[in-house]
Amino acid sequence: SQQGEEDPQALSIQEGENATMNCSYKTSINNLQWYRQNSGRGLVHLILIRSNEREKHSGRLRVTLDTSKKSSSLLITASRAADTASYFCATEETSGSRLTFGEGTQLTVNP
Amino acid sequence: DTGVSQDPRHKITKRGQNVTFRCDPISEHNRLYWYRQTLGQGPEFLTYFQNEAQLEKSRLLSDRFSAERPKGSFSTLEIQRTEQGDSAMYLCASSSLGTGRYYGYTFGSGTRLTVV
Repeated sequence: SQQGEEDPQALSIQEGENATMNCSYKTSINNLQWYRQNSGRGLVHLILIRSNEREKHSGRLRVTLDTSKKSSSLLITASRAADTASYFCATEETSGSRLTFGEGTQLTVNP
Repeated sequence: DTGVSQDPRHKITKRGQNVTFRCDPISEHNRLYWYRQTLGQGPEFLTYFQNEAQLEKSRLLSDRFSAERPKGSFSTLEIQRTEQGDSAMYLCASSSLGTGRYYGYTFGSGTRLTVV
């Protein structure tokens, strides 16, 4: 079963704009990770935030985590057409080492 | 090391046939995972290995599915008596004990199975 719920399911923006995707989860976690998937391909790890962290940056990516609300957001700044992909959040629960994925946000960046 | 490799990339099979997929993880990674992803959905956990031991299996892994990781290196996932509902992308990932928690998992490009 999917733990995460992502919002929005689809997002279409213009190149140069910022894109924000949200993720909610249900259980206690060790960390939350964001992955990107181009159509028909495997997943690429983008960024990981641990449960004791509140914000993390990597290049044009900014992730926040609110464990009290069991939610996270991924911000992509100054988006590019090449950022067009599906983005998934995944949680690693404290009970085990598996990742549980949300259903993803399909991001389209129009040139 | 070029990452996690999966073979084949695509497989078309007739209903009722058996299929086997292979995954070669990053050589120094001792954990290996199998996930299944259907169109428009996120990946769903199937099973994982630490070295050669299969430590956890999902309820999704019916008795028609079997996974092995002999010698703790590559892994195979076999589906017997395939059904149309088995059509999906099968993803393999690997990580190191401990580092997977802090640096993420490395996924292969997947094997797309179509059962006709």
